[in-house]
Amino acid sequence: SYVLTQPPSLSVAPGKTASISCGGNHLGDKSVHWYQQKPGQAPVLVIFYGSVRPSGIPERFSGANSGNMATLTIRRVEAGDEADYYCQVWESSRDQVVFGGGTKLTVL
Amino acid sequence: EVQLVESGGGLVQPGGSLRLSCAASGIILSKYTMNWVRQAPGKGLEWVSYISSTSTALYYADSVKGRFTISRDNAKNSLFLQMNSLRVEDTAVYYCARGQSAHDPTSGLPGWGQGTLVTVSS
Repeated sequence: SYVLTQPPSLSVAPGKTASISCGGNHLGDKSVHWYQQKPGQAPVLVIFYGSVRPSGIPERFSGANSGNMATLTIRRVEAGDEADYYCQVWESSRDQVVFGGGTKLTVL
Repeated sequence: EVQLVESGGGLVQPGGSLRLSCAASGIILSKYTMNWVRQAPGKGLEWVSYISSTSTALYYADSVKGRFTISRDNAKNSLFLQMNSLRVEDTAVYYCARGQSAHDPTSGLPGWGQGTLVTVSS
């Protein structure tokens, strides 16, 4: 089955840039989506189709996808960005949705 | 306001059954694909099942295939998950999540419910 690999954790100081990676075989050929999940809340879509921001998501959030890696970048990190972040794709060969294991972002 | 509200969770013994519901308001559910996604306590997101807008395409995770059945009633703006032969490892918060179009399973999931807790324990 298709595997998406994310670092379990990342720590960033306020005002700095956080880059969360998501690795997968030929990931650049797939549509990658990113979700933010705060404790006790449902996930929120923050980037879809690799680099598109839904309405209401700050411009500080951006995404890129090529080769075997997708990246979610959060510029000027704020305390309110502290959350778990998940990447997600559709595995067409098996008709299944696949989530990465998630990255816990800590704002120092 | 667009809302997805899950219900039907609870405590069930191993081998038992539960039927989850997801009621939509402020949105016409028939325009979208729908999914069930679960999250075990302290764990990450795990996709469970997908259904296209007209119920012509149904897909399942290997872990639930043959035990869970997804369905929808567009006239009632509702989504369902029938869960049979439940196991301890099915314990999780179950979320319904809508897609971005009627038939594209590759899209993101922009709308989620608040989740309903299913606990499988003796």
